[in-house]
Amino acid sequence: AQSVTQPDIHITVSEGASLELRCNYSYGATPYLFWYVQSPGQGLQLLLKYFSGDTLVQGIKGFEAEFKRSQSSFNLRKPSVHWSDAAEYFCAALMTYGNKLVFGAGTILRVKS
Amino acid sequence: NAGVTQTPKFQVLKTGQSMTLQCAQDMNHNSMYWYRQDPGMGLRLIYYSASEGTTDKGEVPNGYNVSRLNKREFSLRLESAAPSQTSVYFCASSKGSSNQPQHFGDGTRLSIL
Repeated sequence: AQSVTQPDIHITVSEGASLELRCNYSYGATPYLFWYVQSPGQGLQLLLKYFSGDTLVQGIKGFEAEFKRSQSSFNLRKPSVHWSDAAEYFCAALMTYGNKLVFGAGTILRVKS
Repeated sequence: NAGVTQTPKFQVLKTGQSMTLQCAQDMNHNSMYWYRQDPGMGLRLIYYSASEGTTDKGEVPNGYNVSRLNKREFSLRLESAAPSQTSVYFCASSKGSSNQPQHFGDGTRLSIL
């Protein structure tokens, strides 16, 4: 069965430090991949998406993600974290039949000053 | 610029009561979805509607029913609420083709006592 794994439940980084959030997927083919961010009490906002082509994709708010087929990974990165980046981040893979998203469990990012 | 609108935002029910969660989108999207979000489990798909007039079960459909009232509206009904259905419920919509992301509402926080 298709699945998405985010190994880190919580991550704490200092403001200004770099960030990498991990995501691994299990899927029969290369899926469409997404990263969403959820601020407290809010819905999910799309950060970026990967469908095909260039394996390094740029998103909003200075985020980027790199697709690595050999590792079945789609890790999210940001070179310098801001306090406003504190939120929960979800990786998701799209099952093409029915256009259904499979989500990882999420990673809560805390930013310390 | 409303996007996906969910009502109500908060609700408390007693066990056995019924409740309908409303969702409407103004983006002329074909597909709509209902998810539930529980701590440490990410978002899980309850039901989805690939297009007007169709509905299908997702990962966790038991205890729920849905109605795709028209292209804009997709409601979720709990016929006899149970404490296990305490969760945050999100509605989402997408154009329907597989390379289009899903757009989320702000959620309905539902507590069953």
